[in-house]
Amino acid sequence: ELKVEQNPLFLSMQEGKNYTIYCNYSTTSDRLYWYRQDPGKSLESLFVLLSNGAVKQEGRLMASLDTKARLSTLHITAAVHDLSATYFCAVDPNNNDMRFGAGTRLTVKP
Amino acid sequence: DGGITQSPKYLFRKEGQNVTLSCEQNLNHDAMYWYRQDPGQGLRLIYYSQIVNDFQKGDIAEGYSVSREKKESFPLTVTSAQKNPTAFYLCASAGLFGNTIYFGEGSWLTVV
Repeated sequence: ELKVEQNPLFLSMQEGKNYTIYCNYSTTSDRLYWYRQDPGKSLESLFVLLSNGAVKQEGRLMASLDTKARLSTLHITAAVHDLSATYFCAVDPNNNDMRFGAGTRLTVKP
Repeated sequence: DGGITQSPKYLFRKEGQNVTLSCEQNLNHDAMYWYRQDPGQGLRLIYYSQIVNDFQKGDIAEGYSVSREKKESFPLTVTSAQKNPTAFYLCASAGLFGNTIYFGEGSWLTVV
C-alpha cells in the first residue's frame, strides 16, 4: 500500500524565518506534486516535479525531489503571513491515481 | 473559461437518501477523479477514471458509485450505504501523462 507521509503536520512560524516541510513516500514515483489549500477552499497547484533532482522555485517557496530517497522538500524562505495555509504533497506512481499526504498546516505569525 | 465545475456547492442529505454530486470539465482531460476530505484531514481517493466508460475504485469506494458516460462528466453518487458521508468532496481532472491535476471548487455534503 502506498504511503505518503508529511512532517511536520502543524507548523507555526515567525515572519521572516525559514523552514522546510518534508514529504516521504513508500513506492517508486518519478512524479511529485505540491498543492496549497486555504481554509474552506479547493487545492491550488504549486509545483510539479517530474524527475530526480528537480528543483522549482516560486517566490518564497522552493520544492525539490530526490526519487532515490523517495523524498521531497518544500522550503519556505523569509515567511510572510500570506503563506499561512495547508500544504499537501502527492505522488502518482501508477499514472493517474494520485495519493496525498495528510497535509502540513502552516501558520505564519507576525 | 476552461475549468472544472462542481455542483452543488452545498448539499444537505437526509439519512437513507442517495445524492449525486456533479462534476463537469471542459479541459479535454482524459482522467477524472473524486476525493473526499474530512475536516483537518488529507484527501482520500474515492474513484478515478482514465477513459470514458471505465473507472476504478480508489481507497474508500464503499458506499459510493460513479459513471463516466461522457469525457467531460464524472458524477459521484453518495448512496445510503455510506454511513458517514458528511465531508468536503473534490473533483479533479488531468491529462494522461505527467500533467498537473486540476481541482474543482468542491462540494460540501452534510447529513441532517
